[in-house]
Amino acid sequence: GAGVSQSPRYKVAKRGQDVALRCDPISGHVSLFWYQQALGQGPEFLTYFQNEAQLDKSGLPSDRFFAERPEGSVSTLKIQRTQQEDSAVYLCASSLDLAGGEETQYFGPGTRLLVL
Amino acid sequence: DQQVKQNSPSLSVQEGRISILNCDYTNSMFDYFLWYKKYPAEGPTFLISISSIKDKNEDGRFTVFLNKSAKHLSLHIVPSQPGDSAVYFCAARDNNNDMRFGAGTRLTVKP
Repeated sequence: GAGVSQSPRYKVAKRGQDVALRCDPISGHVSLFWYQQALGQGPEFLTYFQNEAQLDKSGLPSDRFFAERPEGSVSTLKIQRTQQEDSAVYLCASSLDLAGGEETQYFGPGTRLLVL
Repeated sequence: DQQVKQNSPSLSVQEGRISILNCDYTNSMFDYFLWYKKYPAEGPTFLISISSIKDKNEDGRFTVFLNKSAKHLSLHIVPSQPGDSAVYFCAARDNNNDMRFGAGTRLTVKP
């Protein structure tokens, strides 16, 4: 596709339920990023992949959060035993290449997660 | 720890006038700065960027200024148009690709 796509766009979960959020990056983009955006705040970094390698997961808020990108393209962010504080918009971004260059991240539309 | 700050949550300007959005950062390791624009229910869209080796970058109606000594950057939009109404996020990145965002400024351009 032309841009980054994410699914589902909206997800309502009961507290304690597991959820899986999908990201399809721009074809050929090496780097993939996940962000969490709370209401009224800017996106906050969760984790990042270079191809299939998860190079940084320092932003994941707890061990209930897990991300993977097994074939270096599509990525899934999984949240286990969801809590109300997990309610946020989860944004995925991709960029052509890594590191240090003047590389722009392109964002998907986000998945809005509401945990009741 | 807010490493990137946008102190104005909102800004309202008249169509045709200049919009100036400001951003301050604290981490001297940031070497690349970006502005994103966000409409409701959409992801942030890249607008313009600047490398730390420059102090100005211009693209049409949009100009970004960087003052490294003050750790300050600004986005100028001139002339402002109603379609520019959106939330604008400032972002800063270090050479580990760690990108931090400000909280955003909601710009309203009145016809």
